[in-house]
Parts: sequence; structure tokens; C-alpha cells
Amino acid sequence: DIQMTQSPSSLSASVGDRVTITCQASQDIRNYLNWYQQKPGKAPKLLIYDASNLETGVPSRFSGSGSGTEFTFTISSLQPEDIATYFCQQYDNLPYTFGQGTKLEIK
Amino acid sequence: EVQLVESGGGLGQPGGSLRLSCAASGFSFSSYEMNWVRQAPGKGLEWVSYISSGSGNTKYYADSVKGRFTISRDNAKNSLYLQMNSLRAEDTAVYYCARLVVTAIPRYFDYWGQGSLVTVSS
Repeated sequence: DIQMTQSPSSLSASVGDRVTITCQASQDIRNYLNWYQQKPGKAPKLLIYDASNLETGVPSRFSGSGSGTEFTFTISSLQPEDIATYFCQQYDNLPYTFGQGTKLEIK
Repeated sequence: EVQLVESGGGLGQPGGSLRLSCAASGFSFSSYEMNWVRQAPGKGLEWVSYISSGSGNTKYYADSVKGRFTISRDNAKNSLYLQMNSLRAEDTAVYYCARLVVTAIPRYFDYWGQGSLVTVSS
């Protein structure tokens, strides 16, 4: 199975800050990497697919980059509504695997 | 509007069985590949099972549930199922049904249900 290692596991930042989360795959997954946002008690919501493509309707302050084994997710200017847990997920091979999540809090 | 609504969760006994259902609406259910994804309390997401579109002849399972869980679909009823047998404490989780986007590439879960809590305890 492909292991996805996400860091940090938690992050505290101020409104307006630039926030970066990384995700490392245990093997080359090309750009087959998605990012989801999950708010407490809710189902995950897709933000970014194929490493860098913004899902329709998602604010442009969210972005993603990377390929191969190293990926980055960025919020350019943190907003209060961005408080959530963020997960990366690979689809290069079954089983589809997720990172362990990054819980984002407001400082 | 696409909707996925899970039901059938609750308290299950260790070694017992439960059956989850996911009622789909707002899209051509038979045309979509479907999955179950679970999340243990306070933990991350774990993909559980996949079923192909149409007749659902292709199925995949996570090693953690292989041989115990069975995924199925009834396109006439627009429903997805997960039969869970030989339940273990570590199966305790919120179970989501999730639709795979129709394209071959990219592939992502574009719609999720609200989740159904399964608790395995004596």
C-alpha cells in the first residue's frame, strides 16, 4: 500500500497568514493527489484534484502543487471559515490512501 | 441535486453483523462507481471498499475488512450497501458512502453522504 505522510498534524495560525501543509507519498504517484477539507461533524469536501487543480467553486486562496512524492497545499490568506482538518489522498493505486490529516486552528 | 443518505448504523456486537445502506438521488446512480470510506472517532479517513458502475462486477476491499465485509448495489433502488460481518471493536467508525467522479482520470470522491455511525461493543 502507498503510505501518505502529512505534516504538520496540527497548525495554529492567524487570520491573514499564509499556511502550508505538506504530503509525502511512499512511492511515485505522479500527480494523482487530491486535497479535502473536513469541518467537525461534516463529510469531507474536495478542494484540489490532480495535485494542483482547483475544484469548481473553491476560493482561489487555496492552491496545491507537486508531483512524484512531494506535494504542498497552501492557503494564501487564512480566513476564519478555513478552520478544519485537511487531508491529502492518493489515487495512483488501490487501496486509495489518505494522509493522517492536519488540524488547522486560529491563533 | 446529488444526495447520498446513509442508514443502518448503530450498535453492533463483536462477532455480529450490520448492514449499511446508502440511498442515492439526483444523478444516474448506475453510471457511477461507488465507495465506502470510514473514519474512527477522532481519527483519519480510511477507504474501505469500491464497486464498479453498472452491474457492479468489480469490487475491491481494504485488507482490514476483506473476507468480512461485502459491498453491493441495487441500481433499480438507487442504493449502495455494505454488509458487515464478524464485527470487531476496531470497526467502530463513521461510515461514509462516496461517489467517484465519472472520469477515468482524474479520480476523486466528488460527493459524500453525511455518514452513519457504527459502534461495535458488548
